[in-house]
Amino acid sequence: EDQVTQSPEALRLQEGESSSLNCSYTVSGLRGLFWYRQDPGKGPEFLFTLYSAGEEKEKERLKATLTKKESFLHITAPKPEDSATYLCALRTGANNLFFGTGTRLTVIP
Amino acid sequence: EAGVTQSPTHLIKTRGQQATLRCSPISGHTSVYWYQQALGLGLQFLLWYDEGEERNRGNFPPRFSGRQFPNYSSELNVNALELEDSALYLCASSLSYEGTSGYGYTFGSGTRLTVV
Repeated sequence: EDQVTQSPEALRLQEGESSSLNCSYTVSGLRGLFWYRQDPGKGPEFLFTLYSAGEEKEKERLKATLTKKESFLHITAPKPEDSATYLCALRTGANNLFFGTGTRLTVIP
Repeated sequence: EAGVTQSPTHLIKTRGQQATLRCSPISGHTSVYWYQQALGLGLQFLLWYDEGEERNRGNFPPRFSGRQFPNYSSELNVNALELEDSALYLCASSLSYEGTSGYGYTFGSGTRLTVV
């Protein structure tokens, strides 16, 4: 059975304090691992897609990495505007995305 | 370019009633996906439509149904509403099946359904 687990559930950081969010997964046939950002009351916003172990993608203060069992979203020197829920999702053979429950990030000025 | 649009933004219904939620995909996108996001839970996959046909369905009872129109817009219907159906319902669109590979989905802002 495909599973995706995100940790921690919630994370509070001081502005400038770097950290990482984790997405662990088990899947029979991975066709992509996706990271999204979701602000309260809004739909998720696409950040990255990763396909194979060792792949890395970067966007501003965010960097996503992928191994055979997990993905990390590294946040370098975060700012208050980075506060959001970050969602990890797997795309399997059925095409639809299977989401984790997310990490709620709060960055304190 | 207009994004994925959903209507209404908010909907309040009484238990036992029916709710209809609407979604217009990005121009050129033929696949539409529906997700339920209940408070404290992750996004739960409901339905996937492509080229007017239902391609996949999540683990939800038959009272959750929908359709996709020739212009690729979509409608989600929830019959015999229950209190636990209260949630944010998100619609997403993408290019056809093989076109999703790079960019995932584009989501709308959702319809907040409250059942009282």
